[in-house]
Amino acid sequence: TQLLEQSPQFLSIQEGENLTVYCNSSSVFSSLQWYRQEPGEGPVLLVTVVTGGEVKKLKRLTFQFGDARKDSSLHITAAQPGDTGLYLCAGSGGSYIPTFGRGTSLIVHP
Amino acid sequence: EAQVTQNPRYLITVTGKKLTVTCSQNMNHEYMSWYRQDPGLGLRQIYYSMNVEVTDKGDVPEGYKVSRKEKRNFPLILESPSPNQTSLYFCASSLTGGPGNTIYFGEGSWLTVV
Repeated sequence: TQLLEQSPQFLSIQEGENLTVYCNSSSVFSSLQWYRQEPGEGPVLLVTVVTGGEVKKLKRLTFQFGDARKDSSLHITAAQPGDTGLYLCAGSGGSYIPTFGRGTSLIVHP
Repeated sequence: EAQVTQNPRYLITVTGKKLTVTCSQNMNHEYMSWYRQDPGLGLRQIYYSMNVEVTDKGDVPEGYKVSRKEKRNFPLILESPSPNQTSLYFCASSLTGGPGNTIYFGEGSWLTVV
């Protein structure tokens, strides 16, 4: 199983601050996805990146796939309380089994 | 509405009493999977199925069984539950098992084994 390390594990910030979450591996992935899980619900897909160096933006969220396709980052600008949740990265390599990181738990205080 | 439905959502049971958590998807997806989520350990895959009658072990299959007799259903069976199977369980599906496919998750089933 390919391993995905996410950092930080926990993040508690004030509304309006910026933050970056990292997802790293020693393995190469053909695609990498970011999911957000809110309390009491299942994870929901935010974005899929497939090309090394690719950058995708979703409103205040910016996702980047590393050039070597081994890592990814999620940057949130001007965080809001509605961004609170667990952020999970998931990578797919040669096998059909996606690997999930352990997640970054984000709390944004009003 | 496209969805993955799992039942029950909440269950408290006793050690050794067989139970089944049902999962159904209405998107005609080929790939279905079960995960458990535990604090500090993230999502760990229990079993997955690439299509009808095709199932394979994930990372933590011990103590669980699955079946895929129909495309839409993928029940998770705990033949003799133990307290270490207390967890939050998610059923998930995607169009195929290939990389980059969106994984759709159910709302989760909280299971407590006492």
